[in-house]
Amino acid sequence: QVQLVESGGGVVQPGGSLRLSCVASTFAFSRYGIHWVRQAPGKGLEWVAFIRHDGYNQYYADSVKGRFTTSRDNSKNTVYLHMNSLRAEDSAVYFCAKEIVGGILQSAFDIWGQGTMVTVSS
Amino acid sequence: QSALTQPASVSGSPGQSITISCTGTSSDVGGYNYVSWYQQHPGKAPKLMIFEVSNRPSGVSNRFSGSKSGNTASLTISGLQAEDEADYYCNSYTSATTVVFGGGTRLTVL
Repeated sequence: QVQLVESGGGVVQPGGSLRLSCVASTFAFSRYGIHWVRQAPGKGLEWVAFIRHDGYNQYYADSVKGRFTTSRDNSKNTVYLHMNSLRAEDSAVYFCAKEIVGGILQSAFDIWGQGTMVTVSS
Repeated sequence: QSALTQPASVSGSPGQSITISCTGTSSDVGGYNYVSWYQQHPGKAPKLMIFEVSNRPSGVSNRFSGSKSGNTASLTISGLQAEDEADYYCNSYTSATTVVFGGGTRLTVL
């Protein structure tokens, strides 16, 4: 079964850091770009970041640029979201999601993880 | 990166058809055929329903269809069923090589 599984969420103080992981199974992971999308409690979806299938390019939402970075290790079928200088407004469920077409960014996410909750609070 | 504009809520009776709009600009919806639609039930991850404006992924009912005119994309659900009650989100690729979502639409099946 094709799936993505996120981990690494938790409670962190403002200004702190956290690293999320997204592990993929049963698909040609290295051929597909992976996105991060977040959803604050009771709110809508917000795109956060994208990393290309080969890891050579990353793109970020203005709201996280300079604070978050995404990376991947194709030998481990894993994508990471490194979050620094966290703010209360970063509190959300974070999903990773796979692009439907390999090799490009076209905003169609066909496989999603179950999400991991990040809470930024003192 | 302003969010795409969707109505906050729509409703319809079983068997009816409804349409949800998603309005952006020439830098996103109007500039590319990379608009997708997602269905999200409470506490669940979103599910891709439409991609590339009007394509359905395998396994998605043909009651769901998508279209686009200018800067506005639309999702139509025909033959409404109780299980269609959910939140629906559009998104689009943008000229800044980013992705923007709509604010979401709550569909109520009366």
